[in-house]
Amino acid sequence: NAGVTQTPKFQVLKTGQSMTLQCAQDMNHEYMSWYRQDPGMGLRLIHYSVGAGITDQGEVPNGYNVSRSTTEDFPLRLLSAAPSQTSVYFCASSHAPGRGTGELFFGEGSRLTVL
Amino acid sequence: DQQVKQNSPSLSVQEGRISILNCDYTNSMFDYFLWYKKYPAEGPTFLISISSIKDKNEDGRFTVFLNKSAKHLSLHIVPSQPGDSAVYFCAASDTGANSKLTFGKGITLSVRP
Repeated sequence: NAGVTQTPKFQVLKTGQSMTLQCAQDMNHEYMSWYRQDPGMGLRLIHYSVGAGITDQGEVPNGYNVSRSTTEDFPLRLLSAAPSQTSVYFCASSHAPGRGTGELFFGEGSRLTVL
Repeated sequence: DQQVKQNSPSLSVQEGRISILNCDYTNSMFDYFLWYKKYPAEGPTFLISISSIKDKNEDGRFTVFLNKSAKHLSLHIVPSQPGDSAVYFCAASDTGANSKLTFGKGITLSVRP
């Protein structure tokens, strides 16, 4: 079972460059989200989606864009990378509220360094 | 404003003894609580959860206790094993809204052989 797949696993960018972190899930989950993990900060929600065509902001959305054109995919875009976006990024998915426990399934993470 | 607090950054216990990991929350709308375990270079994985209608949930060596009046929950691991050494995140959600989880900062558990 693939579960939640994130690519790339590692990426180094220069300030001002753009890139997209890819996330795909094969569990037919309605809900998908992106978190970032920083030392001493835990996991902070960036953006989330409750279904195809629907996205919303989380706790730390600035500098990131998302879209949800299909149920399976939820890419995270950095339009102009900044050193403050150096972090480990996790994509996660779950069933919609009322259809499951709310348990999130996480990908393995993408480590991004912005120089 | 941190809604889910894990005030102790680390905990070290002897193999075979009990590990108690604590978590406090401030949002009274939270009605579902989860614990996640994370090993280095891996994504977090679900460990155990509890609904606000219960005060205890047990799964093998892991038990979560919920004290709603104190807005406090704890994870007990008995007996602790070296393989339990990991970062543990407490998370909470308001299931009436959406599946959005709010996480604490995590506790690093070290189990000494």
